Amino acid sequence: DADVTQTPRNRITKTGKRIMLECSQTKGHDRMYWYRQDPGLGLRLIYYSFDVKDINKGEISDGYSVSRQAQAKFSLSLESAIPNQTALYFCATSDLKAGNYGYTFGSGTRLTVV
Amino acid sequence: GENVEQHPSTLSVQEGDSAVIKCTYSDSASNYFPWYKQELGKGPQLIIDIRSNVGEKKDQRIAVTLNKTAKHFSLHITETQPEDSAVYFCAASYGGANNLFFGTGTRLTVIP
Repeated sequence: DADVTQTPRNRITKTGKRIMLECSQTKGHDRMYWYRQDPGLGLRLIYYSFDVKDINKGEISDGYSVSRQAQAKFSLSLESAIPNQTALYFCATSDLKAGNYGYTFGSGTRLTVV
Repeated sequence: GENVEQHPSTLSVQEGDSAVIKCTYSDSASNYFPWYKQELGKGPQLIIDIRSNVGEKKDQRIAVTLNKTAKHFSLHITETQPEDSAVYFCAASYGGANNLFFGTGTRLTVIP
């Protein structure tokens, strides 16, 4: 099984619908992140969580919300999807223990809003 | 916040040649600079990183250099192979926040 699992892998939804993207990890990392990838724009941070009780906005949080249900689970919600939220979404984890700053990414969720 | 710029956006090289990708950052407090490789249909994967107390780091065919004064860092891939073809991202973070700010990516194509 993958260390960081994202579901679904692909999703097409209609404008105005609520949608949830899920992320779970088996790495035991405390920190979890949601990024959005758009062509030519790289990866932009939406939300991040340093532990279950800590949620923080990133660069582009408007229109999104998150829930950290457990150390291993971090969900991203689009309350009312709009076409410019069409993108590739990545969940990532990290753990600063032993000075390891690297992120582990999931395989991504490709979201299309029509 | 931090701003990371990456160049070029696309790069084509012949197999066996070297490839260099360059990034600049804006926040002098940044102290961690990783490089990620993203293959088609997959998430980015960490390939090498460097801390601000080091000027260069190598791992087989890949190396990263850091110039803190100029606030830029570069990825060097030698003896390129077709399997090096991918999108490469640089990133920077500072302090204990560990929130990575990414460049816009470079699509590297290695021509056999």
